Amino acid sequence: DSGVTQTPKHLITATGQRVTLRCSPRSGDLSVYWYQQSLDQGLQFLIQYYNGEERAKGNILERFSAQQFPDLHSELNLSSLELGDSALYLCASSVSGRTQLPDTQYFGPGTRLTVL
Amino acid sequence: QKEVEQDPGPLSVPEGAIVSLNCTYSNSAFQYFMWYRQYSRKGPELLMYTYSSGNKEDGRFTAQVDKSSKYISLFIRDSQPSDSATYLCAMSYGGATNKLIFGTGTLLAVQP
Repeated sequence: DSGVTQTPKHLITATGQRVTLRCSPRSGDLSVYWYQQSLDQGLQFLIQYYNGEERAKGNILERFSAQQFPDLHSELNLSSLELGDSALYLCASSVSGRTQLPDTQYFGPGTRLTVL
Repeated sequence: QKEVEQDPGPLSVPEGAIVSLNCTYSNSAFQYFMWYRQYSRKGPELLMYTYSSGNKEDGRFTAQVDKSSKYISLFIRDSQPSDSATYLCAMSYGGATNKLIFGTGTLLAVQP
């Protein structure tokens, strides 16, 4: 168990809908990262938050947004869902977003999203 | 061209075999190199990390980095059925962000 929790584990929804995925980082970790894992694209970085502020953006669609709250948990909001958004959404946390050796990222089990 | 290339496999070996997993990368700016293991329906877990060329050993696992050739490897000695999983190489640039760039993963099956 990595100490990173994600809810829900599974989510089935229809095209055009909006969902919210939740992540609680390990105790003491300030950074939260969101990744998307799909068969065709592999594991891709979406966005990083550090202590409540956005630190880096990757291949995140405009229909997707995220935030990190004062208690450091994070939510990923996906809207106007399309079939191609079906994937495993992974959250990871680390102690710091800065370069410290090693700033290990610990992954949660993920939320498996199915868009029908 | 993808920044990180990894043979997707699948790779099937008998128990006790030595396994070699490899990744190549195109950007010499990568500073840190990691191997993650992902069991079915689980999140990735960090196996090994390194940031310099050369070998790093941890039990049955050895990570090797050759920055001049932009090539990293993970060797598993005396492979066990419990090693059956997807192995992902990952790299980061360091700096203000620590985002990871992953290979596509290699599916390994160790047959008892």
